Amino acid sequence: GAVVSQHPSWVICKSGTSVKIECRSLDFQATTMFWYRQFPKQSLMLMATSNEGSKATYEQGVEKDKFLINHASLTLSTLTVTSAHPEDSSFYICSAHNRAYEKLFFGSGTQLSVL
Amino acid sequence: DQQVKQNSPSLSVQEGRISILNCDYTNSMFDYFLWYKKYPAEGPTFLISISSIKDKNEDGRFTVFLNKSAKHLSLHIVPSQPGDSAVYFCAASARSGNQFYFGTGTSLTVIP
Repeated sequence: GAVVSQHPSWVICKSGTSVKIECRSLDFQATTMFWYRQFPKQSLMLMATSNEGSKATYEQGVEKDKFLINHASLTLSTLTVTSAHPEDSSFYICSAHNRAYEKLFFGSGTQLSVL
Repeated sequence: DQQVKQNSPSLSVQEGRISILNCDYTNSMFDYFLWYKKYPAEGPTFLISISSIKDKNEDGRFTVFLNKSAKHLSLHIVPSQPGDSAVYFCAASARSGNQFYFGTGTSLTVIP
């Protein structure tokens, strides 16, 4: 079945550093990938839609200069949290759209803790 | 504007009984619906889907019902098992588009 790999699964960093999270579709090509954020005991919040070869579309309230998204190939999208601060600590999840299966397949998530 | 709503944030069910999770949507353009299951600190996993041309889809213990006129769908789990305890998200999309809209989730607890 379709697999989406996301790593790292856990990262701890100091305030002010940048963190890159990778999302790969392992056995299918994904023209569209999505990035979500989840706070404890809350729902998935869509941050942005990442389209291969073009600029990402950000949801209202999400700072594009803070959360840099690059979708350079059909199998890889990256989210970079720039100059991370403690309030950026959260669980980040990516998903990839597999049109053949008409489904979203999710990565396993990245827990970011900013000290 | 929440186009997909799950009005029950939590649900507790006795093991062996039926769990019914509900989902409502507002956009009549949605024609494809999915349910995902999520454990803490993990990504959601696909459970079951239904196209708008159907009103029911069954897969083992899981059945999804779609009522297009009411813009309502439900997920039935029977019999419920403790391992079913998780957060369940419903999602909707228009096949012509490329966007999936998620509800806020329902946390199901199956009591042994």
